[in-house]
Amino acid sequence: KAGVTQTPRYLIKTRGQQVTLSCSPISGHRSVSWYQQTPGQGLQFLFEYFSETQRNKGNFPGRFSGRQFSNSRSEMNVSTLELGDSALYLCASYRDSDYGYTFGSGTRLTVV
Amino acid sequence: KNEVEQSPQNLTAQEGEFITINCSYSVGISALHWLQQHPGGGIVSLFMLSSGKKKHGRLIATINIQEKHSSLHITASHPRDSAVYICAVSANNDMRFGAGTRLTVKP
Repeated sequence: KAGVTQTPRYLIKTRGQQVTLSCSPISGHRSVSWYQQTPGQGLQFLFEYFSETQRNKGNFPGRFSGRQFSNSRSEMNVSTLELGDSALYLCASYRDSDYGYTFGSGTRLTVV
Repeated sequence: KNEVEQSPQNLTAQEGEFITINCSYSVGISALHWLQQHPGGGIVSLFMLSSGKKKHGRLIATINIQEKHSSLHITASHPRDSAVYICAVSANNDMRFGAGTRLTVKP
């Protein structure tokens, strides 16, 4: 079966720009969650979407936003990029506790 | 103090050894997760636990809810087990992560 697909894999942006990352979950998975991983802070939870609704949100500024479409695909957007936003952004899709989470390969964002 | 603490931070073992990684947490949780991350960033979810014990191949995960503690065991370790192992908890509608344990298994 197809896994979780994240695009693009790598991205270089300039400070002040905005960026949109995409995540396509496993077919049939309605929950998509996003995470940021940096060497200094480790993994941190950004937000979770279920059936097009944001269900949970981590402690990130409003510059970080997301949405989920009716086909369960999700996008996250970061506006007014800062150097500290350079990170690996991971998404995961979830069906139920028997299957747990399946992670995508991530998008590595570099802000210069 | 982090809400999710892992030990040890780094672990080097010889092939075939039995390995234990520990995770303690200080918040109420709905589930605990063990994740494996290889160089390059890919993360694999190994276990999702809310009670008791789960086994998958050479990997065993246990959780003690009363003591707020979980362990990940690897039997007959192999160099391909070398990775970072991350403990995470689902709590208060988000997920909190430990800093990870870097495991190196030498042939």
